[in-house]
Amino acid sequence: EAGVAQSPRYKIIEKRQSVAFWCNPISGHATLYWYQQILGQGPKLLIQFQNNGVVDDSQLPKDRFSAERLKGVDSTLKIQPAKLEDSAVYLCASSFVLRNNEQFFGPGTRLTVL
Amino acid sequence: QQPVQSPQAVILREGEDAVINCSSSKALYSVHWYRQKHGEAPVFLMILLKGGEQKGHEKISASFNEKKQQSSLYLTASQLSYSGTYFCGTVLTTDSWGKLQFGAGTQVVVTP
Repeated sequence: EAGVAQSPRYKIIEKRQSVAFWCNPISGHATLYWYQQILGQGPKLLIQFQNNGVVDDSQLPKDRFSAERLKGVDSTLKIQPAKLEDSAVYLCASSFVLRNNEQFFGPGTRLTVL
Repeated sequence: QQPVQSPQAVILREGEDAVINCSSSKALYSVHWYRQKHGEAPVFLMILLKGGEQKGHEKISASFNEKKQQSSLYLTASQLSYSGTYFCGTVLTTDSWGKLQFGAGTQVVVTP
């Protein structure tokens, strides 16, 4: 089966610019996650969707970050405007069910903010 | 809420054993273990549920001590392919949505 797809793989932007990341989860997976992984740290959950509804966005900096999963399949994460500290790898993951299930991660998007 | 992993790093020779610990200050419902190789995405190893038994994946196994709110990952007879960063992720008993909090990771290097 196809894995989690993400694009772009790499992105370099200037601070205060906007950027968007796209994720297509594994077919049939109802739960989708966006994580931020700063170099040398573990992934940090930004937002978790169940179908097209948000179940947790407590760690999402809502003044600059937004995410949507309109049709309950693919998802977009946006940063506007970007700050230097947003430089990280943004990982998308999906799982078949909501709780205590293996998460399948995509290859990630490496963002560099200059 | 982030779990604490120890050690931060370990260097092994092929065939040696190692233990990685993951501790939480809050009551845990489950512990998840992932391995991430450099430049790649994390890959699932196993889940341990509260009240569950010790799990295994090849020669990698793990246990969950509910009294201590701690999980340990055991790398037995390590192979070169075991190199990578190991992350534990914890789900609190109070979290109905299964939100995973990852630790900072333990870097494992296995040498020939």
